[in-house]
Amino acid sequence: GAVVSQHPSRVICKSGTSVKIECRSLDFQATTMFWYRQFPKQSLMLMATSNEGSKATYEQGVEKDKFLINHASLTLSTLTVTSAHPEDSSFYICSARKTGLAGGLNIQYFGAGTRLSVL
Amino acid sequence: DQQVKQNSPSLSVQEGRISILNCDYTNSMFDYFLWYKKYPAEGPTFLISISSIKDKNEDGRFTVFLNKSAKHLSLHIVPSQPGDSAVYFCAASVISGTASKLTFGTGTRLQVTL
Repeated sequence: GAVVSQHPSRVICKSGTSVKIECRSLDFQATTMFWYRQFPKQSLMLMATSNEGSKATYEQGVEKDKFLINHASLTLSTLTVTSAHPEDSSFYICSARKTGLAGGLNIQYFGAGTRLSVL
Repeated sequence: DQQVKQNSPSLSVQEGRISILNCDYTNSMFDYFLWYKKYPAEGPTFLISISSIKDKNEDGRFTVFLNKSAKHLSLHIVPSQPGDSAVYFCAASVISGTASKLTFGTGTRLQVTL
């Protein structure tokens, strides 16, 4: 199997607070995890690529100081939304790529997502 | 610039019939393609993939076809079942031997009716 657990599934917070979202690969190791954001009726937009033991790579337009990513182990990456504002309200989804897949296969396995609502 | 496009936002198919979901891409560097299925408020679930060295890959009721010259791929589901009702995303990547980003289409909502 390839199970990715994401927690929490839903969070409501006040404007100005910080929120941490965890992404864990439960039955495989993942040197690389990805963080996406999805707006209603839109596609998944890649925010950043999280690499174990090194700094995350952010997509153009994503504020690295706003969205802090830590990939401390081969099974855990965290996304912290700092000083959240209502415009940060969205559905955040993480994924993990299995390490060592033959042939360079790039199958990402996704968590269930986190619905963030900033009041 | 939408490099992966799913031009049909929705599709309705009767149970037992074939569902055909289409996807077009513009980046000729893409060489690996995937289909994901997504239910509301859940993360996408991997369905099937295809490498650019193939033109067809089949897994049970799901078959993906790739036409490289047309930069087009399609997902066939046959027979369609009510449980197939979901949003389907196609995704594309460039295999580089290291972790590669996936570029997603905008999704097609499939409704399988009784």
